[in-house]
Amino acid sequence: GAVVSQHPSRVICKSGTSVKIECRSLDFQATTMFWYRQFPKKSLMLMATSNEGSKATYEQGVEKDKFLINHASLTLSTLTVTSAHPEDSSFYICSASRWGGSYNEQFFGPGTRLTVL
Amino acid sequence: TQLLEQSPQFLSIQEGENLTVYCNSSSVFSSLQWYRQEPGEGPVLLVTVVTGGEVKKLKRLTFQFGDARKDSSLHITAAQPGDTGLYLCAGANYAGNMLTFGGGTRLMVKP
Repeated sequence: GAVVSQHPSRVICKSGTSVKIECRSLDFQATTMFWYRQFPKKSLMLMATSNEGSKATYEQGVEKDKFLINHASLTLSTLTVTSAHPEDSSFYICSASRWGGSYNEQFFGPGTRLTVL
Repeated sequence: TQLLEQSPQFLSIQEGENLTVYCNSSSVFSSLQWYRQEPGEGPVLLVTVVTGGEVKKLKRLTFQFGDARKDSSLHITAAQPGDTGLYLCAGANYAGNMLTFGGGTRLMVKP
């Protein structure tokens, strides 16, 4: 159990276009979903926290109009990178939170490699 | 803001050696999770420790949560090339809905 999928796994786009990344919890309903960005050989940087049916909470320095998050259901969250630029190229990873009885655990998707030309 | 210091950042060892990775903070966490990540993939949850002083074992991996729930360690016995990867510790806040990640330890085990 606790499988999280992410689609697409890899995307290359032209500068100025928008890219949508989907994150799904396949075998559980996620209380909360998270979006992270990871630079090469670095740890994960939290971008935003997403709860179903409410607006996402963005971390300081993350532009909410640039990175649109929609959390349509307890199993699906999407991240749209709008008007992408080369500096947005990165590895984007989502996670879904599941209650483990006495604590929450986060399970991560496989990540999406975005390359903006 | 909770901070989690992870050390060492890099570790290159020979197959068969033992190693320990540390995560330290001045903050108290409700639980702490350890992940392993391979290049181009998402982190995979290895273990969650919840109780101060708790020790959990996963084959050759031993995880310990400090008594005060501010620090944790991961010890690998007789490391193998398959253990190569990025190890991440992450502390959960008391609401349980946010993780603070350490900077990661990049481990390379040479055959």
